[in-house]
Amino acid sequence: GQQLNQSPQSMFIQEGEDVSMNCTSSSIFNTWLWYKQDPGEGPVLLIALYKAGELTSNGRLTAQFGITRKDSFLNISASIPSDVGIYFCAGPNAGGTSYGKLTFGQGTILTVHP
Amino acid sequence: DTGVSQNPRHKITKRGQNVTFRCDPISEHNRLYWYRQTLGQGPEFLTYFQNEAQLEKSRLLSDRFSAERPKGSFSTLEIQRTEQGDSAMYLCASSPTRTGGRTGELFFGEGSRLTVL
Repeated sequence: GQQLNQSPQSMFIQEGEDVSMNCTSSSIFNTWLWYKQDPGEGPVLLIALYKAGELTSNGRLTAQFGITRKDSFLNISASIPSDVGIYFCAGPNAGGTSYGKLTFGQGTILTVHP
Repeated sequence: DTGVSQNPRHKITKRGQNVTFRCDPISEHNRLYWYRQTLGQGPEFLTYFQNEAQLEKSRLLSDRFSAERPKGSFSTLEIQRTEQGDSAMYLCASSPTRTGGRTGELFFGEGSRLTVL
């Protein structure tokens, strides 16, 4: 089946630093999604990417859809304590009957020290 | 609050017991999804409904699992004869149809955490 590999698995940074994480797949995805999950909560969509090469921003977050359609990157600028959480990349399963049937990566755990 | 609501938030049960989780989606969303998330992993798809019809089930959904959405509104996920391996967070999500919403944008509830002793 499709798998998404995220790196790094965890990051420990100082407040104010920029963060970069990525997600790779052995198969092509036509949509890339980045979700954030806070402890004890469900994931929340941050950014959606629909076109190869697309670069999309949401406040301090910027994500890119790789031109090979097998990878995506998420950058967070000037991190703040509330950026703490787990960041997941996700994409719709090939052959699925619904675009909501997603494959998720294993997540990148972000810790921000004040 | 007009978000996705799940109950109970936490359930501790003994192995072999049956448990049921409820999900109330966002009212105008006709698609409803169940995912399972174990510690240190991303969510895994279990099943989804369009209105009251269950359109797809993952092979993760063994015969002990059953999901329903009888009137196309709320949904229940029942696990019979629970096993320790069923311990996980069960997440519900909803979305509008593709024409009304963008691809893959799911609105998740806070989850129901199951612990099987």
